[in-house]
Amino acid sequence: DGGITQSPKYLFRKEGQNVTLSCEQNLNHDAMYWYRQDPGQGLRLIYYSQIVNDFQKGDIAEGYSVSREKKESFPLTVTSAQKNPTAFYLCASSPEGANEKLFFGSGTQLSVL
Amino acid sequence: AQSVAQPEDQVNVAEGNPLTVKCTYSVSGNPYLFWYVQYPNRGLQFLLKYITGDNLVKGSYGFEAEFNKSQTSFHLKKPSALVSDSALYFCAVRDNRWSNTGKLIFGQGTTLQVKP
Repeated sequence: DGGITQSPKYLFRKEGQNVTLSCEQNLNHDAMYWYRQDPGQGLRLIYYSQIVNDFQKGDIAEGYSVSREKKESFPLTVTSAQKNPTAFYLCASSPEGANEKLFFGSGTQLSVL
Repeated sequence: AQSVAQPEDQVNVAEGNPLTVKCTYSVSGNPYLFWYVQYPNRGLQFLLKYITGDNLVKGSYGFEAEFNKSQTSFHLKKPSALVSDSALYFCAVRDNRWSNTGKLIFGQGTTLQVKP
C-alpha cells in the first residue's frame, strides 16, 4: 500500500526539549517537504528536499532542522529554539518537476506541555 | 510578492445546490494552480490543477475549477453539493522563485459546510 507515513500522530514537547517527527514514503518520489499548519493561516513551508543529502530552508525554517540520508525518509526536528511549536505538521512528497502534485501524510499534531 | 487569497473563511450551501469556493492569486510568470481538500485531522488530498490549456479544469469527486487570467482567479466549483463535501479547501500556486520544483504557496483555506 503506497503512501506517506507520518508518526507519531500526536506529540507533546516539554520546554527545552528537542522532538523529532518522522516521515517515510514508499512512492519513490525525489522531492519531500515539511509544512506547518496553523488555524486560519494555511500551510507554510519549513524545509524542502529535492534529492538525498540536500535540502533547502523554506519560509519559516528557524527553530527546525531536517536530514535526508535516505530517499524514503525526511525527519523533522523541532528544536528548543522554536518558541511557538504548537501546530499541525504535514509532510509531503512529489515526483521531480514543477507541475507535479504533492502527496501528503496524515500529519502530526505537536503540543507543548 | 507571490500570494494566494481565499476571501471567504467559510462557505455554507445546501445539499444539491451549486457551490463556489473563491481563490485569487498573484504570481510572476505563468501560474501553476492547484486545489486540495482536507478532512479533519488528516493530510491534504489533491483535487485538480491548472498548468496550461483549457480554462475549465475537471478534477476528483465532481469538482471543477475555472482559470481566469484577466481576473487572476481560480475558483473551485461543483454543480451539486453533497454533505460529504464538507471539509477545508486550499488553493495553492507554484512558487516561481523556486523554478522546477513543486514548492507551493497556499491560501489560508476555506471551510465548506454543506447542510442537508
